[in-house]
Amino acid sequence: EPEVTQTPSHQVTQMGQEVILRCVPISNHLYFYWYRQILGQKVEFLVSFYNNEISEKSEIFDDQFSVERPDGSNFTLKIRSTKLEDSAMYFCASSGIGRNYGYTFGSGTRLTVV
Amino acid sequence: RKEVEQDPGPFNVPEGATVAFNCTYSNSASQSFFWYRQDCRKEPKLLMSVYSSGNEDGRFTAQLNRASQYISLLIRDSKLSDSATYLCVVNEGGYQKVTFGTGTKLQVIP
Repeated sequence: EPEVTQTPSHQVTQMGQEVILRCVPISNHLYFYWYRQILGQKVEFLVSFYNNEISEKSEIFDDQFSVERPDGSNFTLKIRSTKLEDSAMYFCASSGIGRNYGYTFGSGTRLTVV
Repeated sequence: RKEVEQDPGPFNVPEGATVAFNCTYSNSASQSFFWYRQDCRKEPKLLMSVYSSGNEDGRFTAQLNRASQYISLLIRDSKLSDSATYLCVVNEGGYQKVTFGTGTKLQVIP
């Protein structure tokens, strides 16, 4: 079964540092997403990406965040100048076309900002 | 009002029991509905889409009530492996974004 791959599985970084979270979506999917989940809280939407540009973003996704699809397979989330409150599980997801085509999530990157 | 609302539980049920969860959504324009399952510290995994006419997948049955703006998930013959958090997920149109409920925790007890 096709899967979404995320690396690293766990990232520890110092406050103020930049991190890049990497994702390889399912190859024939066209829509890509980043979500995050703070421990014990619900899954929150960050950004969606289609046709090499951001199609929607949430209030959480401020200037500190950026996404990129640098080649035909990778999809990255960059967090500049990390804050303690950025500590969370970050999930990448992708989906195909079709109203009832649910998302496939990667196994997540646990980001810990110290 | 929360966009997607679920009873957080936990629901503690014995093996073999039938259990049902409801989820309400606030946006009447919502078009797509899903149930996901999330195990502790793991990613959400699609359990099933929810179709207007209702649909069944083995022991799982999903229903949609547009008039009352809720969806439901019924699990029959609960198994220990069904223990997880069940997430209600709603898409408001297009494929841009889905909104997650907080999840309902199910614990199936031997």
